[in-house]
Order: sequence, then structure tokens, then C-alpha cells
Amino acid sequence: AQKITQTQPGMFVQEKEAVTLDCTYDTSDQSYGLFWYKQPSSGEMIFLIYQGSYDEQNATEGRYSLNFQKARKSANLVISASQLGDSAMYFCAMRELETSYDKVIFGPGTSLSVIP
Amino acid sequence: DGGITQSPKYLFRKEGQNVTLSCEQNLNHDAMYWYRQDPGQGLRLIYYSQIVNDFQKGDIAEGYSVSREKKESFPLTVTSAQKNPTAFYLCASSLDSGQSYGYTFGSGTRLTVV
Repeated sequence: AQKITQTQPGMFVQEKEAVTLDCTYDTSDQSYGLFWYKQPSSGEMIFLIYQGSYDEQNATEGRYSLNFQKARKSANLVISASQLGDSAMYFCAMRELETSYDKVIFGPGTSLSVIP
Repeated sequence: DGGITQSPKYLFRKEGQNVTLSCEQNLNHDAMYWYRQDPGQGLRLIYYSQIVNDFQKGDIAEGYSVSREKKESFPLTVTSAQKNPTAFYLCASSLDSGQSYGYTFGSGTRLTVV
């Protein structure tokens, strides 16, 4: 069964607007970590933000915030004030710290296009 | 600056050839990983290693081999047994596989069969 689901294959957002990229996950572990990565057309993977399952506050890193809803197993990425350079693939990922702590599982990704 | 270096950036392979992709890190990270990415797809785990001289198969290990003789290096060999090797290959490392840290990635190698 797929452990990370990203239901939006492609998204468009107007420059300077906010956008939410959806991510749901499936795990029976109580302890896990959630990540978001950005992949520009150059191919490199850039770490954006991390949320631990026991963190009570939603993670924020500059214009990125993670809307963590544990009961719904949801970890949506919110990008505020979109910029043209935000156009890229975005991957949600999870590390299960009990059953498979030694590897990170990635979702299929969402392609974001920022329109001038 | 610390980081992960993958080489070459582009690689062309003839049918039936083995090729080796290089991955070197100077981050003093314990764990290293190889992922494969097909166009428009997510990342799939090929092999990973938590310590020197030890490595584990990931989800799609068939047709690939690795070695971990040094902490800094984790080369991936794509053998002739891999029937569809054309893909983008990403190497990553992590500070401690038992901690909730994410990965640092290399810039990738794009492999094409000709």
C-alpha cells in the first residue's frame, strides 16, 4: 500500500499568492518524521522543512510552513508569497522511526508552476 | 563546503555494459542511499548502507550492486541484468539512520542506454 499520497500531480499559482500542496501518509508507528523536498528542473533535491510526530507546533521555515494534522495523517506544505523560483516538483516524505527507521519513503510529487 | 558529489552528471551506456556511478560525501554522515527516479515519478530506493562494509537492498535492487569500503564513498554499479536502466539516479546521505533527520542529496547522474 502506498504510504505517501500526493493527490495533486500539477498545481498553478499566481506570483505573490499562497499555495497549499497536499500530502497524506499512512503509518502504524507512533514516532515518525515528515519532510518536504523541492526539486527544480536541475534535478537536485532541496530540503525544505521537517515535522516530527511529537512536535506540538507546526513547523515553519521562512515562507514555508507545514500544516500538520496528526489525526487526519495529513502534512500539507504551505508556501506563502509565491515566487517564480518556486516553480519545481515538490515531494512529501516520511521516515518511520520504529518499523523502518533507516530509510525515507517519498511520495509521487506535485509539480508547481508559478505564473507571473 | 561539505556536501555530496555525484559523478558523472551524464552517462551513456551501451546494451550489455556495466557502468558505475560515483557518490562521495565529506559530511561525515553514517548512512548513504541510492534512489532511482523515472520521469514524472517519485524516488524509489535501490540500496542503502548504515555503516562501512554493510548495505541493504531497497525496493528495486535487482540489476544493481553497491559497495561501502569507506565511509565517504558509496558507488553504485548498474549491471547488464538491469533491463531498463535509463533514469535519473540520486545519492543521499544522513547523519544517523536512527534519528529523525532528512537527507542531503547529490546533484544526480542521468543515465541513458544507447
